Amino acid sequence: AQKVTQAQTEISVVEKEDVTLDCVYETRDTTYYLFWYKQPPSGELVFLIRRNSFDEQNEISGRYSWNFQKSTSSFNFTITASQVVDSAVYFCALTGNTGGFKTIFGAGTRLFVKA
Amino acid sequence: GAGVSQTPSNKVTEKGKYVELRCDPISGHTALYWYRQSLGQGPEFLIYFQGTGAADDSGLPNDRFFAVRPEGSVSTLKIQRTERGDSAVYLCASSLGAGGRLETQYFGPGTRLLVL
Repeated sequence: AQKVTQAQTEISVVEKEDVTLDCVYETRDTTYYLFWYKQPPSGELVFLIRRNSFDEQNEISGRYSWNFQKSTSSFNFTITASQVVDSAVYFCALTGNTGGFKTIFGAGTRLFVKA
Repeated sequence: GAGVSQTPSNKVTEKGKYVELRCDPISGHTALYWYRQSLGQGPEFLIYFQGTGAADDSGLPNDRFFAVRPEGSVSTLKIQRTERGDSAVYLCASSLGAGGRLETQYFGPGTRLLVL
């Protein structure tokens, strides 16, 4: 069975702090993709990044960076110098070929960035 | 270009009534997905269309739920005899479809359904 765990339910930081959102996944698939989505208060899920199981290179995009480690089945997301506009719920998701390539989402981490 | 659109944005209905929720995917996207998101949870897969056909409907919770996509573009999620437990945000997503379900999905704003 596939599973995505986001152990942090809520995180609160002050603007300009760095924050890391944890994601741990379980899958028996050898081919899979991992995703991060942002859900602001408006409700629409915004795609942030996709990483396939064969590419463990870390990625940086502006203030965002992602650390994918297959050895620990983790795909953590760091926001550097957080801003109030980063306040949202962040979801980690996994799509693998078990059960027909369903996308499984974690329960989400609500990030509050205070001015 | 336009993203995924969903109508209505909010729907309030009474227990036992029938509802239809509409999704208009990104133009050119052949794959379409429906999810249900309960309060405080991540989206939960319902059904996946490739073109006009439902390639995977294993996430539909019971036979009160049905979805169609007759022309391979707009999709309608239909819920019969609604129950209070059906209250949730129903999200639609689409993807290009060429790469199968490993593709990135782009989500609409959702329809918030409240069953009284």
